[in-house]
Parts: sequence; structure tokens; C-alpha cells
Amino acid sequence: DTGVSQNPRHKITKRGQNVTFRCDPISEHNRLYWYRQTLGQGPEFLTYFQNEAQLEKSRLLSDRFSAERPKGSFSTLEIQRTEQGDSAMYLCASSLALGGAGDEQFFGPGTRLTVL
Amino acid sequence: AQSVSQHNHHVILSEAASLELGCNYSYGGTVNLFWYVQYPGQHLQLLLKYFSGDPLVKGIKGFEAEFIKSKFSFNLRKPSVQWSDTAEYFCAVNAGASGTYKYIFGTGTRLKVLA
Repeated sequence: DTGVSQNPRHKITKRGQNVTFRCDPISEHNRLYWYRQTLGQGPEFLTYFQNEAQLEKSRLLSDRFSAERPKGSFSTLEIQRTEQGDSAMYLCASSLALGGAGDEQFFGPGTRLTVL
Repeated sequence: AQSVSQHNHHVILSEAASLELGCNYSYGGTVNLFWYVQYPGQHLQLLLKYFSGDPLVKGIKGFEAEFIKSKFSFNLRKPSVQWSDTAEYFCAVNAGASGTYKYIFGTGTRLKVLA
């Protein structure tokens, strides 16, 4: 399967713990996105990378959240000192930038985080 | 700020009924428009997209959507739904090269098709 993969698929943690999620995009894709989805809502943008550069961050991304894409391939999203409000599905997507044209994002299965 | 509105949160139809799901967006510039579907237990999949050209776009599984620029709308349609169309449908917008590549999603519409 050459789609976007995310690990782990489920994470249960206690409030105050740190968690890290990994996303492996489609191999030739140069853009990588993170979104968060809570029940009854559409995905909300968190941040995106073009290659290894983080080009945009949402105001939703507090200083407890950090994302990296060190070699322009896989990406990690870390949440420090988790809070119950961080419980959500964290989605990763990737796309192939084609100049100025619109790009279609391919989504992974998500990591479901539950903070107790 | 950009936003996307999906007016119908829950829709229940019988098989063979026609479907139209509304999507309106607010953004003053050029946009790219998408409809994604999420079947139970599966990840988001692209149904169709509009970048430019013919405003009537055909997607997979018999779905189509029409971009009406004057109404800031991109409604999804299917003439005859099947039980297997039961899913959640999301409309999304991005500003592409004129702005940002991030998607702004609507809140989604849950469609249940009765056999």
C-alpha cells in the first residue's frame, strides 16, 4: 500500500504526559499537512510543510504542540503536557505541489488520541 | 477569514432517491474546491475537485458538483443514491497559489441511505 500511513492508530495517555505521532506521506509528495478532527466537526488545519520547511501554523497550534519534518520525508507531531481538550483524531495528509496549480491532498487513517 | 458552510448536518434518504448536499464558502479570491467522503471506519477519500474550467465537475461513483461563483457555492449531487453511499461528506476549500494550500473544511454531512 503506497498511501499515507500514521502511527500509532490509537493512543491513550494520562493528562500531563507527552505524546508523539508519526506520519509517513506518499513517497514523492513534497507537501505534508496536519489536521485535527473532533466529533461532529470537520478537520481543522494545524500546520503544513513543504519539504522540510514549516510554512504555516494555525493559532490552534499552541506552544505545547510542535511538528517536524527533518528530512522532508516523514513528519512527527508532538504534544507536550497533554490536556483533556487535546483528545481528538489527528490526521496527516500529503500532496504533490505542481507549481501554482491546486493540489489534491491524500489523507492517512489518523491517530486517535484519548487523554484521561 | 475563510469559512465553509454545509447546511445539512444529517440527511436520510431511501435508495434511488436523488441527493444534493449544499456547500457555501466565504473567500474573495480564487479558490480550489473539493468534496471528500469518509465511509464508516475508513479515511477521507477525494470524491471530486474543481480547480478551473468547466464548473460542472464529475467525480467518482456517479457524483458531480457544480461551482457557482456568484453564489460562492459548490453543491454535491447524485441522481440516484445507493445503500453503499452511507458516509460522511465534507466540502473543503483552499486558496491555492493565490493564498494558502491548507484546506478549510465544512462541518460535514452525515448521509444515511436506507435499503
